[in-house]
Amino acid sequence: EPEVTQTPSHQVTQMGQEVILRCVPISNHLYFYWYRQILGQKVEFLVSFYNNEISEKSEIFDDQFSVERPDGSNFTLKIRSTKLEDSAMYFCASSESGRRNYGYTFGSGTRLTVV
Amino acid sequence: GNSVTQMEGPVTLSEEAFLTINCTYTATGYPSLFWYVQYPGEGLQLLLKATKADDKGSNKGFEATYRKETTSFHLEKGSVQVSDSAVYFCALIYVSGGYNKLIFGAGTRLAVHP
Repeated sequence: EPEVTQTPSHQVTQMGQEVILRCVPISNHLYFYWYRQILGQKVEFLVSFYNNEISEKSEIFDDQFSVERPDGSNFTLKIRSTKLEDSAMYFCASSESGRRNYGYTFGSGTRLTVV
Repeated sequence: GNSVTQMEGPVTLSEEAFLTINCTYTATGYPSLFWYVQYPGEGLQLLLKATKADDKGSNKGFEATYRKETTSFHLEKGSVQVSDSAVYFCALIYVSGGYNKLIFGAGTRLAVHP
C-alpha cells in the first residue's frame, strides 16, 4: 500500500530556531496538505498546495510558515522562528485528485517540541 | 459554513460491547464523509468513507451510513476489542473554489477494557 512518509518522527528545537519538516507524498498524488494537532486537541488545517503554489491557507499559517516542493518528491513545511505554541504533531497528507470523493492519505506525523 | 460535530469522549466500553460514536455535520453543497482512526502514538488512518446519501462505508467490522436527512454519519461496531482503543475522527471533504478541503471533528477517544 503506498504511503506518505514524514521525517523526522520527533524534533526538539529551541525557541526562535528555524525548523523544516519533510514529507514524501505518494508519487502519483497532485494535492498536498499540512495539518497540525496540538496535544489532545483537534486536527487543524494549515495549508494546501497544488501545481507548485498554495491553494488555500488557514489563519494559523502566518508569515512564519512556508511550504515548498523543492524537487519532484519532497514537500516541506518551514517554520522560520519557532515559538513555544508551535509545539504540536504536524501531519502531511496527499490526495490524487481535487474531487471530494478522493480521501487524503496521511503520514505518521512529526512531533515538534519547542523548548 | 462547514463543520463536523462529534460526541465528546472518552467512551469506555467492555470488550464485545456495541459501539456507537455520533457524528453530525453542517455543509454547503454535497460533501463526502470519512472516519479516521488514530491509534496511540501513530498517525491518522482512513477507516471508512461514504461519498453519497445512503452509502454505507465499512471496514474492520466498523460501519457508518451517510444520512443526508439527519446530516449524520454515526460510527458503529457490533463487538469491540481491546485493540480498537484509539481516537476516532469524523471528517468531511467539501469542494471550494475548485479545490477540496478536509475538516475534522474534535475526535472521540475510545477505551476498551477486557
